[in-house]
Amino acid sequence: ETGVTQTPRHLVMGMTNKKSLKCEQHLGHNAMYWYKQSAKKPLELMFVYNFKEQTENNSVPSRFSPECPNSSHLFLHLHTLQPEDSALYLCASSQELGQGLYNYGYTFGSGTRLTVV
Amino acid sequence: LAKITQPISMDSYEGQEVNITCSHNNIATNDYITWYQQFPSQGPRFIIQGYKTKVTNEVASLFIPADRKSSTLSLPRVSLSDTAVYYCLVGDLVDSSYKLIFGSGTRLLVRP
Repeated sequence: ETGVTQTPRHLVMGMTNKKSLKCEQHLGHNAMYWYKQSAKKPLELMFVYNFKEQTENNSVPSRFSPECPNSSHLFLHLHTLQPEDSALYLCASSQELGQGLYNYGYTFGSGTRLTVV
Repeated sequence: LAKITQPISMDSYEGQEVNITCSHNNIATNDYITWYQQFPSQGPRFIIQGYKTKVTNEVASLFIPADRKSSTLSLPRVSLSDTAVYYCLVGDLVDSSYKLIFGSGTRLLVRP
């Protein structure tokens, strides 16, 4: 366990379903992130939250909706997804958000493997 | 956007030293260089971080030249369990906006 827990580990959903991914960290970190990792592509940053406030939306389609009720929890709500959205979705946290990773950088969860059918 | 390049894959044998180089010619002035390791179906795991010259910890060394436009991750005496994908991460200023950029990853295969 890294200190960042993601549930579920695996998810299969139809294109008309609505589901949510959950991320939880008890590391005392103030910044949380969602990344998408597809086969043969680098890690793509989706959303950034700092002290519960969204600071970045990296041109993500509206069928992905993030929520950060507090600094320890992060959700990704999914609806009307497409098969090309199938990927590993990774949550990460860091001590703070800012220029320069002068701490130990990100702590990642194990991810949710999402398959859209 | 920063162009970060890493070799797509590397092969090695147990007991050898492996050096993986990342090119990041637009690294932000105040930014650090961080390397991560990722096993299948797991999230990336921090390995090492540095700003310049050389950094060493219990698992790896990181060499950064004076111009900081590249960095080399050195894994001494690799074992089969070091088979993984290795990513470098740097920050970049894009239109005055700070972005953290992952390289595309280097898939290391360690053979017996």
